[in-house]
Amino acid sequence: QLQLQESGPGLVKPSETLSLSCSVSGGSISETNYFWDWIRQPPGKGLEWIASIHYSGSTDYNPSLKSRVTISLDTSKKQFSLEMSSVIAADTAVYFCARRGFYNLFDPWGQGTLVIVSS
Amino acid sequence: NFMLTQPHSVSESPGKTVTISCTGSSGSIARNYVQWYQQRPGSAPTTVIYEDNQRPSGVPDRFSGSIDSSSNSASLTISGLKPEDEADYYCQSYDSSNQVFGGGTKLTVL
Repeated sequence: QLQLQESGPGLVKPSETLSLSCSVSGGSISETNYFWDWIRQPPGKGLEWIASIHYSGSTDYNPSLKSRVTISLDTSKKQFSLEMSSVIAADTAVYFCARRGFYNLFDPWGQGTLVIVSS
Repeated sequence: NFMLTQPHSVSESPGKTVTISCTGSSGSIARNYVQWYQQRPGSAPTTVIYEDNQRPSGVPDRFSGSIDSSSNSASLTISGLKPEDEADYYCQSYDSSNQVFGGGTKLTVL
């Protein structure tokens, strides 16, 4: 059964870069029909899609975050990663990684990791 | 930008039926599939409906999904409400290479 696990610092200073990784186990990260996505959820608020990557290298970004975000994928490590630059307090959120299928279903999700932006 | 609008909260009694709407801001919501996720506090979302009206294995048939093109809306209906259905519910779809989530609806089972 495919499982995803986020990892990264839980605390990032304002103006610095947030870096997270998602490890994929129990399945392949190189399957043609799937994409690998990051989604976040500020405390007490709703879900916001951040970015997506296919193992071929194709990427998509939320236009509102595109200037600060980079998504990448390492097939040898079975990981995909997120970098968000120039973070501010409003970037404080639980960050989820998820696999997305052809008809845009997110399943499964990682458990999520809380990132707090604070000095 | 395409948006999905959900009611902030709904409440209903155990055993009753509740419907949560998800209205598209433009275009046709029927153009791309709609998914529905359930999220309990402290947990990741899980799928209750995918591809407009399909239920994953393990999701009770009390959960159903539909599309109404005339109102440009998707709906999640939960019948025979149980206390464990109390959670946040999110609709999700797609537009122009962007994944879009509704704002979420808090379901309270009184």
